[in-house]
Parts: sequence; structure tokens; C-alpha cells
Amino acid sequence: EAGVTQSPTHLIKTRGQQVTLRCSPISGHTSVYWYQQALGLGLQFLLWYDEGEERNRGNFPPRFSGRQFPNYSSELNVNALELEDSALYLCASRYTGGLSSNQPQHFGDGTRLSIL
Amino acid sequence: SQQGEEDPQALSIQEGENATMNCSYKTSINNLQWYRQNSGRGLVHLILIRSNEREKHSGRLRVTLDTSKKSSSLLITASRAADTASYFCATGDSWGKLQFGAGTQVVVTP
Repeated sequence: EAGVTQSPTHLIKTRGQQVTLRCSPISGHTSVYWYQQALGLGLQFLLWYDEGEERNRGNFPPRFSGRQFPNYSSELNVNALELEDSALYLCASRYTGGLSSNQPQHFGDGTRLSIL
Repeated sequence: SQQGEEDPQALSIQEGENATMNCSYKTSINNLQWYRQNSGRGLVHLILIRSNEREKHSGRLRVTLDTSKKSSSLLITASRAADTASYFCATGDSWGKLQFGAGTQVVVTP
């Protein structure tokens, strides 16, 4: 069974540019979560999508947005990039069928975004 | 903001020794999970313990949960060099959302 896949693996952008990161969940998983892992700041929750809808977002400005497609894959968009957006962006998926409240999240290897 | 505080921040041990790390949290939880992260990679799920469970084992891993003290511990027995990684605790709510602690960096030397 394929795990969560993310693309690209690395990305270099300059301030003010826009970026789109992609995530394909494990087959059968309908929930997708995005996290930012910046140096020294730990894992910060960004966004949660389920069944195509945004269910919750973390404490991030509106220039961080995303969407989930009918096949449950997801995109994270970041506009007007700032230096502090440099981080590892991690996507996770989770099975939400049946008694799902105790199902773990499964993570991809992330996209390393560097802002120059 | 982060839910959990992990202790210690870093741990250095020799192969064969046990490694113990602790996690404390602030609000009520549905479950508590432990993840491992090798340098620059994604997180790997290790073990999930439900709020009504007190102890759980998986291979060389042992997790305890004390909801009255809002704390959990992860014990890795007979550590190996391959256990070198960062370990994170995360509290899960009924919707499956996770809040992570700051992590413990573990280095196991041969």
C-alpha cells in the first residue's frame, strides 16, 4: 500500500512569490492535515480537510490556503512568501471510517521550502 | 500553540540502554500518540494510547498514560543506533486533530 506522497520534495522561492504544495493521501483516507515545521518552532497545525471541506485551520494568516479535491488529494497554497515561511511542510492523512476517533495520522516526507 | 511539553529536550545514551522521555499536556484528550522523526523526514506513527488506557506495549516500546496528572511516558528498551531520531508526543481530540509537543532528540551511540 502506498503511503502519503508529497511533491515537490524541495523548493526554493524568493520573497513575495507564491507556491503550491501537493499531497496524495493513503488510499481510503478522506482526511488530510497540513503542518508547518519551522526551525525552533516545532510542528504547527495549519489546515484540516475532510470530504472536500476545510474543517479547521490553525493560527496562520489568510495567505495560507488550500483545497481538497474529489479524489481526496490536497494542495496547500502560500501567497506573498515571507522569509519566515521557510520550513518543512508536512501532510498527513487519516482513515475516518467506522470507529475512527482513535485512528492515527500517517505522514508524508514533506516539502522543504526555502525562501531567499 | 503547542499542547505538550516534553522532557528531556535531548537524550544521549549508548546502545543497549533504555531511553525514557516524558510528555505533559494541558487539556482533556481523546488519545495520546507518539511519533518518531528521522532527520529531515516525515513522522512515523509509533503507538496510540486511548484516554481510558494506562499502559500499552509495542515491541521494544512501552507507553504509559496518567490522565490525572496529564502526563505520558515513552520507554524504549535495549536501544539501537537506528533509534536515533526525534520523538514527539501528540494529543488527539475526538475529531482526530493533533497537537504536538516540542519533541525529544535521542542520540544512541554504538
